[in-house]
Amino acid sequence: AQSVTQLGSHVSVSEGALVLLRCNYSSSVPPYLFWYVQYPNQGLQLLLKYTTGATLVKGINGFEAEFKKSETSFHLTKPSAHMSDAAEYFCAVSYTGGFKTIFGAGTRLFVKA
Amino acid sequence: GAGVSQSPRYKVAKRGQDVALRCDPISGHVSLFWYQQALGQGPEFLTYFQNEAQLDKSGLPSDRFFAERPEGSVSTLKIQRTQQEDSAVYLCASRPAMGRDSYEQYFGPGTRLTVT
Repeated sequence: AQSVTQLGSHVSVSEGALVLLRCNYSSSVPPYLFWYVQYPNQGLQLLLKYTTGATLVKGINGFEAEFKKSETSFHLTKPSAHMSDAAEYFCAVSYTGGFKTIFGAGTRLFVKA
Repeated sequence: GAGVSQSPRYKVAKRGQDVALRCDPISGHVSLFWYQQALGQGPEFLTYFQNEAQLDKSGLPSDRFFAERPEGSVSTLKIQRTQQEDSAVYLCASRPAMGRDSYEQYFGPGTRLTVT
């Protein structure tokens, strides 16, 4: 069975500091991995995805994530946080030929001035 | 371009009432998903349609929940005899059938249901 674990329900960083949001998954087959962002009262927006190929994936708004099979991780990073990055972030996993997407519980990012 | 739209955005229902939540997917998207997002949680899968066929409804929490997509475009999620535990945001997402982006889901803004 697939599952997603996001370490830390809340993360707080200072503006300009590194953002690191952790995600670990379990999957018995090669996974497709996603990070979504959700702003208040809005739906989820895709930040980036890993399907095949290069394990370092770049997304929108300066975010990137690296798929590490040996660690079953897909951590999200951004070198320098901006106030507008404050939101809820969800890691998700799907798999080849499948249609279900399993979401983590989310990590709320706070950015301090 | 038009994204996924949902209506109503907010719904307050008294316990025991029936509600219907509508989803308009992106035109041409074959796949449609419904999710339930409880406060402070990630979205939980409810059901999946490919065109008009409901291929998986394993996530529907009870037989009070019913979804349909009769013409393969607009979908309705119906909840009968609402209970307080049904209070959540209901998200709809659609996905193209094929191509590089076929695994990316496009989400609507959700319907926030509050059962009093």
